[in-house]
Amino acid sequence: KAGVTQTPRYLIKTRGQQVTLSCSPISGHRSVSWYQQTPGQGLQFLFEYFSETQRNKGNFPGRFSGRQFSNSRSEMNVSTLELGDSALYLCASSLGDRVYGYTFGSGTRLTVV
Amino acid sequence: AQRVTQPEKLLSVFKGAPVELKCNYSYSGSPELFWYVQYSRQRLQLLLRHISRESIKGFTADLNKGETSFHLKKPFAQEEDSAMYYCALSGPVQGAQKLVFGQGTRLTINP
Repeated sequence: KAGVTQTPRYLIKTRGQQVTLSCSPISGHRSVSWYQQTPGQGLQFLFEYFSETQRNKGNFPGRFSGRQFSNSRSEMNVSTLELGDSALYLCASSLGDRVYGYTFGSGTRLTVV
Repeated sequence: AQRVTQPEKLLSVFKGAPVELKCNYSYSGSPELFWYVQYSRQRLQLLLRHISRESIKGFTADLNKGETSFHLKKPFAQEEDSAMYYCALSGPVQGAQKLVFGQGTRLTINP
């Protein structure tokens, strides 16, 4: 059974650019969530998608957006990149009910220069 | 507001000694609680859920609603237990799937 797949693994972008990250969940999982992990702030929730609808949103500026496709694959977009956006972005999938917990991907390491 | 506190950033014990990683939470209701572990160069993975009342790799965690704690315990530490451990909670909102994580505790098991 394939795990959660995130692409690309590494990205280097320049301030002001935009970036799109991709996540393919475990087959059958309809919920996809995104987290930002930094040494200072730890793991912070960005948003969750379920059946192509955003169901939850964290406290991030509107530059951070996402979407989910009919096959449950999800993309996250960050526009007008800032140096502070440098982080490990983790995608996690689940069956959708809060009791199950997540399966995480390996993450995309974004560096903004 | 939902909050998870792991008071120890670093914890070091000797092999064979008991281990307890502390987790306290703040939530008005009945949260679901989890422990996640991240071994060196591996992805974050679910260790156990309080709802399952299971023991994984010798670890157990009991939810104490009175003390709002969910401490992770293991009676005899092994070197392979060295890792980063995160406590997390998910609130009871119907259909919500959002975890709030603690800052993590880095556990080192000394030989």
